[in-house]
Amino acid sequence: QKEVEQDPGPLSVPEGAIVSLNCTYSNSAFQYFMWYRQYSRKGPELLMYTYSSGNKEDGRFTAQVDKSSKYISLFIRDSQPSDSATYLCAMSIITAGNKLTFGGGTRVLVKP
Amino acid sequence: GAVVSQHPSRVICKSGTSVKIECRSLDFQATTMFWYRQFPKQSLMLMATSNEGSKATYEQGVEKDKFLINHASLTLSTLTVTSAHPEDSSFYICSAQPDRNVEQYFGPGTRLTVT
Repeated sequence: QKEVEQDPGPLSVPEGAIVSLNCTYSNSAFQYFMWYRQYSRKGPELLMYTYSSGNKEDGRFTAQVDKSSKYISLFIRDSQPSDSATYLCAMSIITAGNKLTFGGGTRVLVKP
Repeated sequence: GAVVSQHPSRVICKSGTSVKIECRSLDFQATTMFWYRQFPKQSLMLMATSNEGSKATYEQGVEKDKFLINHASLTLSTLTVTSAHPEDSSFYICSAQPDRNVEQYFGPGTRLTVT
């Protein structure tokens, strides 16, 4: 079993819909949780990162962390075709050199 | 802010030659940089952690003599693929971690093709 599980998709939604992404993890030691967006043949772009359980909002993006369930989510409101990309969750432990453990990524397609 | 560059963006080399890839943090200092490898439609695989002024720490299964990493300054790390073979063809991505931060910022990646 992988440490971080993420549905590979593809997830296809119409423009303007809410995109809902999630990851589950097995290691309760993870402290920081991040979401990256990666376009084809490009490096990942950091969208958000959170530390504690709860919600964090930034523009159209909302990240949720539920440490008790070992479950994190990313919601994208008012989705645009330009949001079509692969979304990667990543987690880290400070005392482990802050190395990131990635989920496999979810491919999202927003149709105009 | 938090911009990371990589050079070259794409390189084609012949089997047996060496290739150097540069990773620079343009607007912040990064004591720690990371090197990843990504195969098509797969997630990122961490190869090594690079700390300024010290030897890199390699992940299990990564040949340190084949993938030479040098972190010469707080804004520059290099990855040299020595005696490249076709199986080394891949997308190599670096990331940099600003000092006292936990998040990592990624470069645009380098596509290496070994013929």
